[in-house]
Amino acid sequence: QKEVEQNSGPLSVPEGAIASLNCTYSDRGSQSFFWYRQYSGKSPELIMSIYSNGDKEDGRFTAQLNKASQYVSLLIRDSQPSDSATYLCAVKGWTNAGKSTFGDGTTLTVKP
Amino acid sequence: DTGVSQDPRHKITKRGQNVTFRCDPISEHNRLYWYRQTLGQGPEFLTYFQNEAQLEKSRLLSDRFSAERPKGSFSTLEIQRTEQGDSAMYLCASSFTRVMDDTEAFFGQGTRLTVV
Repeated sequence: QKEVEQNSGPLSVPEGAIASLNCTYSDRGSQSFFWYRQYSGKSPELIMSIYSNGDKEDGRFTAQLNKASQYVSLLIRDSQPSDSATYLCAVKGWTNAGKSTFGDGTTLTVKP
Repeated sequence: DTGVSQDPRHKITKRGQNVTFRCDPISEHNRLYWYRQTLGQGPEFLTYFQNEAQLEKSRLLSDRFSAERPKGSFSTLEIQRTEQGDSAMYLCASSFTRVMDDTEAFFGQGTRLTVV
């Protein structure tokens, strides 16, 4: 079992719809959670971080964390074709842990 | 540009040659990370530094790989006797960390290595 699991997709949504991306993790002591967006051939770009249970909103993006269920999600509202990318979930074991452990990403396609 | 900078962006080398990559982190960041990513996979942790100290190294990392951050600023990653399996994108990231306060890591553009 991988430490961080994501549905590989591809996930396809029409323009203007809500895209929902999910991530589960195995280390119950994990404290820090991140979502990165990665366009093909480019490096990951941080879009959200979340540290506490509940929702965190930033523009069209909402991250949701449920530590009891070891689950973190990313919602993208009003999806745009420019949101088409691979979304990587990353998890850190505790606040000062060195490494982030990444899932293999979910590929999202937003169709005009 | 004040982001993380990596050099070179692309490197093609023959099997058995040595290669060295450089990373310049965001200036006030004290942590620097190296990751490796292959197609269809998420970034895989290699090693990280806090200032000049190398604090963790992946158990998966061959002894052909070595990294340094001599003055706590830029870092180099060297791969000796390259193999075709080393072909990947090598990513550098940096963050600022104080005791009990960690910020997110920001990635550079990556160095794409092709071993032929």
